[in-house]
Amino acid sequence: RKEVEQDPGPFNVPEGATVAFNCTYSNSASQSFFWYRQDCRKEPKLLMSVYSSGNEDGRFTAQLNRASQYISLLIRDSKLSDSATYLCVVNEGTNAGKSTFGDGTTLTVKP
Amino acid sequence: NAGVTQTPKFRVLKTGQSMTLLCAQDMNHEYMYWYRQDPGMGLRLIHYSVGEGTTAKGEVPDGYNVSRLKKQNFLLGLESAAPSQTSVYFCASSYSDRSLYEQYFGPGTRLTVT
Repeated sequence: RKEVEQDPGPFNVPEGATVAFNCTYSNSASQSFFWYRQDCRKEPKLLMSVYSSGNEDGRFTAQLNRASQYISLLIRDSKLSDSATYLCVVNEGTNAGKSTFGDGTTLTVKP
Repeated sequence: NAGVTQTPKFRVLKTGQSMTLLCAQDMNHEYMYWYRQDPGMGLRLIHYSVGEGTTAKGEVPDGYNVSRLKKQNFLLGLESAAPSQTSVYFCASSYSDRSLYEQYFGPGTRLTVT
């Protein structure tokens, strides 16, 4: 079993739709959680950190469920420009080298 | 403020050749990382560094060496390239505060080994 698992998709949604991605992690000692966005043939870029209380940034909402060991990303009112691969990242918190990336979920927003 | 830069952007090597990839960051980050990303797969950590003069192995270190002689630079070396090392290589850096482990990535180096 992978340490960090994501549904690879692809998720194909129309503009304006709401879409949610989940990411599960196996290490219960994990302390830091992030969502990154990666456009085709580009580098990953931080989308948002995920805090225990949940956090929101515009149309994006991230939540953490420690009991079930998963994090989620909700995108409301999808735009064409949201088309990308979304990477879940989990860090144990005690070792900089222990950031584990999921394989990513691909989202395509269609007109 | 350039962030994280990588050179070269593209390279084609023949099996057995050697090369060095250079990563530079101007954000005064303590930590630096080298990843590889193969088609359809996630990022895998090759080596990382928590400070000048220190390096550590990641998930897939075999066939690579690294050096961190200056805080702002992190070099990745391939001593004898193999076709299995064809990949996109990303460098990243971050602060050392565990609450700030957000990583900032360079644009990547696309390496093909024939």
